[in-house]
This record gives sequence, C-alpha cells and structure tokens, in this order.
Amino acid sequence: SQQGEEDPQALSIQEGENATMNCSYKTSINNLQWYRQNSGRGLVHLILIRSNEREKHSGRLRVTLDTSKKSSSLLITASRAADTASYFCATDAAGAQKLVFGQGTRLTINP
Amino acid sequence: DAGVIQSPRHEVTEMGQEVTLRCKPISGHDYLFWYRQTMMRGLELLIYFNNNVPIDDSGMPEDRFSAKMPNASFSTLKIQPSEPRDSAVYFCASSFWGTVGGANVLTFGAGSRLTVL
Repeated sequence: SQQGEEDPQALSIQEGENATMNCSYKTSINNLQWYRQNSGRGLVHLILIRSNEREKHSGRLRVTLDTSKKSSSLLITASRAADTASYFCATDAAGAQKLVFGQGTRLTINP
Repeated sequence: DAGVIQSPRHEVTEMGQEVTLRCKPISGHDYLFWYRQTMMRGLELLIYFNNNVPIDDSGMPEDRFSAKMPNASFSTLKIQPSEPRDSAVYFCASSFWGTVGGANVLTFGAGSRLTVL
C-alpha cells in the first residue's frame, strides 16, 4: 500500500510552542500535500510540496521533504488554540492522479 | 462558489435499506473523489472520476457500493443493501488539475455521516 503513516498519532503541546508532525510513505511520488481537519468538518488543504523540492513555507507552516527517506515533516510554529485539529499527509504515486491519505496526527494545543 | 456540497449531512438507517449520498462539486472542477473515513481504517479512497468518467473504483468495498456521475455538477454514491459496517463519514472532494499544474489539490465537502443500525 502507498498509504502514508503519520507520527506521532497524537500530540499535545502548550500554546506558543512549535508542533512537528512526520509522515512516511512507501512509493515514489510526484507531490506530497498536508491537510487539516477540524472536528466534524471536511479536510482543508494546507500546503503542497513537489518531489523536486526540499522545503516550503506558508505563513507559520514549514514543510520538508526527503525523497531518499520517503518522509516529510510539517512544522507549525508559535502554535495557537485554533491549530487544534487532525493533520494528514497525502501522496500521489508517480503517474497517478489519486491522493492517498495517511492516518493522521491529532494535535491539541493547550491554552 | 459555495464549495463542495454534500447531502444529507446525517443519515440513520436500518440494515438492508438503500442509502444514496449526493455531491455537487465546485463548478469547473474536472476531478471528483469519494472517500470514506472511519476510526479503524482512516480515510479510504473509494472511487474517483475525471470529466464524469470513473477512472479507478478499486477502493469500492464490494458490489453493494456503486457510484455515478451523470454530469459535471452531480455525483451519487449508493449502498444497497446497507450493513452496520458501512457506518462511517463519507466525503466527496473535487479538484481542477490545472490549478497547481500536475497535481490534484482537493476541496472537500463537509461529509455525510452514515449510521446503519
């Protein structure tokens, strides 16, 4: 299966701290994306990184990609209570249009 | 645009009944995906369409599940007959391949929560 796996499954930190989540996958990819899901809602796209990129920033988000290790990390800096959500990585195998999602990391930001 | 619209938001039915979930994608999007989310199995891709044509239905669990996309603005996912193990949240998502060249960035609906008793 191509499905990614996030690590840790759950993470609880204090507001203002940085949160780091990791994703590993199994097959060669074109792109890797991160999505956020608030409780009871649909997933929302956060950021996309291509296989030929190593790092990408968007606001307080920083994503890295290491294709040799088939892994990615999502860093959220200066966390806020509103960042409490589940975070998923999604990959598309080379030559495919479908996205396969990992199991997600549940992030809790404590005020 | 109102985003991806799914209905119903909640459905409670009894085992053996037919269930039809509906989705209206974002206008102009050329891909439509159906996913199922459960605690045990996470987010599973069931089927996806490109320009209303089913491309990959390998994730459809069994013959009880069927999906159609009769036109660019409407898709259905049908379960007949339904079973308790079908209880899950079903998401529809759409995308436009050209938005971020060479990638599908998905816009999800709010989901349909199905409970089969």
